[in-house]
Amino acid sequence: KQEVTQIPAALSVPEGENLVLNCSFTDSAIYNLQWFRQDPGKGLTSLLLIQSSQREQTSGRLNASLDKSSGRSTLYIAASQPGDSATYLCAVRLSGGTASKLTFGTGTRLQVTL
Amino acid sequence: DGGITQSPKYLFRKEGQNVTLSCEQNLNHDAMYWYRQDPGQGLRLIYYSQIVNDFQKGDIAEGYSVSREKKESFPLTVTSAQKNPTAFYLCASTRSTGLMNTEAFFGQGTRLTVV
Repeated sequence: KQEVTQIPAALSVPEGENLVLNCSFTDSAIYNLQWFRQDPGKGLTSLLLIQSSQREQTSGRLNASLDKSSGRSTLYIAASQPGDSATYLCAVRLSGGTASKLTFGTGTRLQVTL
Repeated sequence: DGGITQSPKYLFRKEGQNVTLSCEQNLNHDAMYWYRQDPGQGLRLIYYSQIVNDFQKGDIAEGYSVSREKKESFPLTVTSAQKNPTAFYLCASTRSTGLMNTEAFFGQGTRLTVV
């Protein structure tokens, strides 16, 4: 059974710092991996989608990497801002017959302070 | 604007009642999903549907029911058999479950509370 772990569970950094969020998964037979942002009481906003054949994806100040063989992904946020404060979730989609299922980590709660 | 609309935003249920959560999408996506989110836990899949008139149980389907009569709509009913329904419910959709882009998009959620 696929398990997804995100460490740390919570992180507080001063504004302007670069930071890395980690996501690890136990089954490397994934179809893709997706990073989301969730603000309190809100739904999930898709940030980046990495297909299994890709090594990284970039969008603005965000860069996500994927190492399937080691079961790891990182989300790099450059020059953090208070508006980046949210919970960040990663999710993997298994390949094969259960391709429709996303398995989520429990998230990293990020606070960027002034 | 294209997207997923969930309603209501807040819902209160009395013991023994069935309640239905609405999810509508105008993205022309084939697949739709319902997830449940509890504090300190990852999202858990309740039901999903890959095409109209077809749906499958997820990991925690007991006490829930769904229908998929239209491509745009995937309502979730929380029945009285669900003993611990208080949670945040999220609806999602993807273009397909096949080999095309399967990026998932989510609605804004419905918070259900038992009173």
